[in-house]
Amino acid sequence: QMQLQESGPGLVKPSETLSLTCSVSGGSITNFYWNWIRQPPGKGLEWIGYIYYNVATNYNPSLKGRVTMSVDTSKNQFSLRLSSVTTADTAVYYCARGDYFDPWGQGTLVTVSS
Amino acid sequence: DIQMTQSPSSLSASVGDRVTITCQTSQDISNHLNWHQHKPGQAPKLLIYDASNLETGVPSRFSGSGSGTHFTFTISSLQPEDFATYYCQRYDSVPYTFGQGTKLEIK
Repeated sequence: QMQLQESGPGLVKPSETLSLTCSVSGGSITNFYWNWIRQPPGKGLEWIGYIYYNVATNYNPSLKGRVTMSVDTSKNQFSLRLSSVTTADTAVYYCARGDYFDPWGQGTLVTVSS
Repeated sequence: DIQMTQSPSSLSASVGDRVTITCQTSQDISNHLNWHQHKPGQAPKLLIYDASNLETGVPSRFSGSGSGTHFTFTISSLQPEDFATYYCQRYDSVPYTFGQGTKLEIK
């Protein structure tokens, strides 16, 4: 059974870059689209974007070009980088597979604060 | 972007009740809609995909229907473990979006 696990710093300073990794176990990272989603405290879910291998990406225009995603097939991981963060980027960040978003990771809280 | 309206935002019900949640979209999305369950501190979980297909291992008391712009999600007989927040999610085109969520609470 495939499982996903997010990891990365829980605290990022304003204007810096948020970096997270999603580790995939129980299956190969190839042949699927991989999504990042976030949920700010007390708010709804926002799709950040997806990556397919290192061939195709699609990012939410609301994030205004601050997003970069990559895949490391040797480690069965994919990553998210979000630049120039502000307090509005404080959220629980999730990774999930494919169009059905199945499965999801448990999520990791990232706080943007000086 | 396609707008999604999920209702109600919260719902108070008792064990054994039948509950229905609706999701409307501003444009036709065919059947490209999923339903997820989210409990605090846990990974969200896919329950229904392509509007009406029950994910493997999900109890049959959960069901979904609809196509085009109007979708419904039903729990036929609430169980204690069903109290959670439920989200619809469309994937017909990017950017993918979610409904606002329905928090299902114990009456």
